[in-house]
Amino acid sequence: GESVGLHLPTLSVQEGDNSIINCAYSNSASDYFIWYKQESGKGPQFIIDIRSNMDKRQGQRVTVLLNKTVKHLSLQIAATQPGDSAVYFCAETDNYGQNFVFGPGTRLSVLP
Amino acid sequence: DADVTQTPRNRITKTGKRIMLECSQTKGHDRMYWYRQDPGLGLRLIYYSFDVKDINKGEISDGYSVSRQAQAKFSLSLESAIPNQTALYFCATSDLNSYGYTFGSGTRLTVV
Repeated sequence: GESVGLHLPTLSVQEGDNSIINCAYSNSASDYFIWYKQESGKGPQFIIDIRSNMDKRQGQRVTVLLNKTVKHLSLQIAATQPGDSAVYFCAETDNYGQNFVFGPGTRLSVLP
Repeated sequence: DADVTQTPRNRITKTGKRIMLECSQTKGHDRMYWYRQDPGLGLRLIYYSFDVKDINKGEISDGYSVSRQAQAKFSLSLESAIPNQTALYFCATSDLNSYGYTFGSGTRLTVV
């Protein structure tokens, strides 16, 4: 069912620390996942993706972990910077490339 | 120029008015989408189109209509705007070879 809420989950981290943002998904048939970053006043932007045949994928300062057993996805950001402050969404699909379902998002605030 | 352009960026309209939000893209993608974003609810799909002759309802299509005028253009209309349609609206594009969606910068619509 649809979650109802007026407030985004928030995560505050010190600059230079690592951030971990979590996402639970419900569709066990989902086979492709993406993390998006949305900065204030902008549309979501692709960060990193992972397919269901993988459990870890690394990019530049970002790592996505997929645990299909518990239907959990996480985004790790190393050495968090002020420019990382944004809302982060996970998105899943069970039909590769089509009809993504988006999570509610997590707001990351980086403290100086 | 942006890959996906939405106009207007901001709009205030009165209850009962008809309003059209426009989206154009230079990605050459076949698939276009309209999403609505509300705080805490993530992105919800209104309508989508896989080519010029294809229009499909999303999970929250009531009160909205769309027109795919060309491969590059996809417009969203509110025939009679109501206050609970106040939200941030995003257009997105994709194709079979793209990784996820490319989003526009959004249209902030306020219905008073």
